Amino acid sequence: ILNVEQSPQSLHVQEGDSTNFTCSFPSSNFYALHWYRWETAKSPEALFVMTLNGDEKKKGRISATLNTKEGYSYLYIKGSQPEDSATYLCAFLPTSGTYKYIFGTGTRLKVLA
Amino acid sequence: DSGVTQTPKHLITATGQRVTLRCSPRSGDLSVYWYQQSLDQGLQFLIQYYNGEERAKGNILERFSAQQFPDLHSELNLSSLELGDSALYFCASSPSGRAGNIQYFGAGTRLSVL
Repeated sequence: ILNVEQSPQSLHVQEGDSTNFTCSFPSSNFYALHWYRWETAKSPEALFVMTLNGDEKKKGRISATLNTKEGYSYLYIKGSQPEDSATYLCAFLPTSGTYKYIFGTGTRLKVLA
Repeated sequence: DSGVTQTPKHLITATGQRVTLRCSPRSGDLSVYWYQQSLDQGLQFLIQYYNGEERAKGNILERFSAQQFPDLHSELNLSSLELGDSALYFCASSPSGRAGNIQYFGAGTRLSVL
């Protein structure tokens, strides 16, 4: 059974702090990893699609890195703002040929003003 | 707004009943995915359709079925409903059936089985 784990489960930071969290996935049979941001009462919104070992993606104050050999991805938020409060989900896609995305349970981030 | 439309937003029904959830993908997207999110669980992949054909199947119960129509909208049918089927059901779409494509999620249908 393929398992995707995210840590921590939840996180409270002060406005202006930088933070990061982890998505761990099976290191074999990697095809792609997605990061999503999910605000309360809204639908998940894609942040990044990562496919290559060593990939680094950036969108404003949010960035992500990927290590497929050891099976993890980090999401970083620089200078957190209250509007960054959301659940951040990662989704792992095993080797091409299957389309069965496996989602982690997310990291719930709360940024305190 | 992702461009993916799901109806209804909320559905309340009784055990043993059958319901249909509807999803209209973003304009031009050929692929539709269905997910279930139960309490305290992550999103569970149910099924994917690409251009009218089933592409991949996840942990979808035999009581559940889906289809994608020629106009590319999709329906998820849930029958013989049980209390444990209460969940948030999401539909997502992507431009093609290529693995790794970004998925655009709808707002979800919240199903309550009483």
